[in-house]
Amino acid sequence: AQSVSQHNHHVILSEAASLELGCNYSYGGTVNLFWYVQYPGQHLQLLLKYFSGDPLVKGIKGFEAEFIKSKFSFNLRKPSVQWSDTAEYFCAVNSGGYQKVTFGTGTKLQVIP
Amino acid sequence: EAGVTQFPSHSVIEKGQTVTLRCDPISGHDNLYWYRRVMGKEIKFLLHFVKESKQDESGMPNNRFLAERTGGTYSTLKVQPAELEDSGVYFCASSQGTGGYTGELFFGEGSRLTVL
Repeated sequence: AQSVSQHNHHVILSEAASLELGCNYSYGGTVNLFWYVQYPGQHLQLLLKYFSGDPLVKGIKGFEAEFIKSKFSFNLRKPSVQWSDTAEYFCAVNSGGYQKVTFGTGTKLQVIP
Repeated sequence: EAGVTQFPSHSVIEKGQTVTLRCDPISGHDNLYWYRRVMGKEIKFLLHFVKESKQDESGMPNNRFLAERTGGTYSTLKVQPAELEDSGVYFCASSQGTGGYTGELFFGEGSRLTVL
């Protein structure tokens, strides 16, 4: 069965600091990987996704993530965070054609102006 | 284009009562999913419809939960009778396609259920 681990539950950063949120998954086969974000008072929305090809994927609002197959990781990064990035971030995995998407526990990011 | 809509946004009921949550997916989306998040924990998969058929209901906790999607449009999730541990936020999501996975789930804002 597929599973996702997010090790940081709550992260507090000052504006302009760099961000890296960890995500590890457990599944031995082909995977599709996602980061979703939930801004305060809003619904979950897709930040970026990896299906195949270049393991470094870029998403909206300057976010990127790198798929490292050997480490079963898909960490989310942003070089310089803004106050508006305050949100909860969820890593998720889908094992190819099997359509269930499994989510992690989420990481709350608080950016201090 | 309207997004995924869920109703009610918040429901407070007593243990033993019944609650029905409704989800209207994006028009044309064959795939409809129900997820639940208990406070501080992961967003847990409950089930997946393709049109009106249940593709995967492996995440449904027990037989107190009944999901339907008559006609392949909106879906309802009924909890009867509700227990304290059923409290949480119930998310509905939809996506296009019936074959390969499209890569994006579109979520509703969730229905918060509080069982007292």
